[in-house]
Amino acid sequence: ETGVTQTPRHLVMGMTNKKSLKCEQHLGHNAMYWYKQSAKKPLELMFVYNFKEQTENNSVPSRFSPECPNSSHLFLHLHTLQPEDSALYLCASSQGQGVNTEAFFGQGTRLTVV
Amino acid sequence: DQQVKQNSPSLSVQEGRISILNCDYTNSMFDYFLWYKKYPAEGPTFLISISSIKDKNEDGRFTVFLNKSAKHLSLHIVPSQPGDSAVYFCAAGSGGSYIPTFGRGTSLIVHP
Repeated sequence: ETGVTQTPRHLVMGMTNKKSLKCEQHLGHNAMYWYKQSAKKPLELMFVYNFKEQTENNSVPSRFSPECPNSSHLFLHLHTLQPEDSALYLCASSQGQGVNTEAFFGQGTRLTVV
Repeated sequence: DQQVKQNSPSLSVQEGRISILNCDYTNSMFDYFLWYKKYPAEGPTFLISISSIKDKNEDGRFTVFLNKSAKHLSLHIVPSQPGDSAVYFCAAGSGGSYIPTFGRGTSLIVHP
């Protein structure tokens, strides 16, 4: 049990669908992150939320829309995705924003866009 | 342009021997480095870290060495165990940019 739970674990969606990824952390952390892990590429940071406020958007296309209703929950809303968006999407949380604080990752959502 | 490079996509080691995973970085502003371990179907888990004021940090079987002049760090696992088989990600960051930059990972296989 990592304390960071992501649902669903697997998702297959068409390019015209709308779906959402959910992340929940039970660690009392203040910062939450969305990362994208594509095959043969480095882990890419997408969004950062600190105390529910978005503090970083790493040039992510608007077809990805994050939402952070509270410090424990983070969503990633998906619409009109492309096949190249197929990847493992990882949520993480940490106590603070500093790189010196370790991040705890969820198990990820394996997304396939068809 | 990759700022954190793990040039070996895979490494195979015999159980009981030493595993050495390497990582190079290009950004001289990086002052903190982390290693994460990832099993299939799981998210990365934090393993060990080192700040730029040190050149070595040890935690049990895991030791990270930092060579700032060469912009190189390495993770040593001694002795290697089959349960260490996983993908290892190197990450680096700086106080100014608090989000770490990750390398592509190295897949370690430890044979019994």
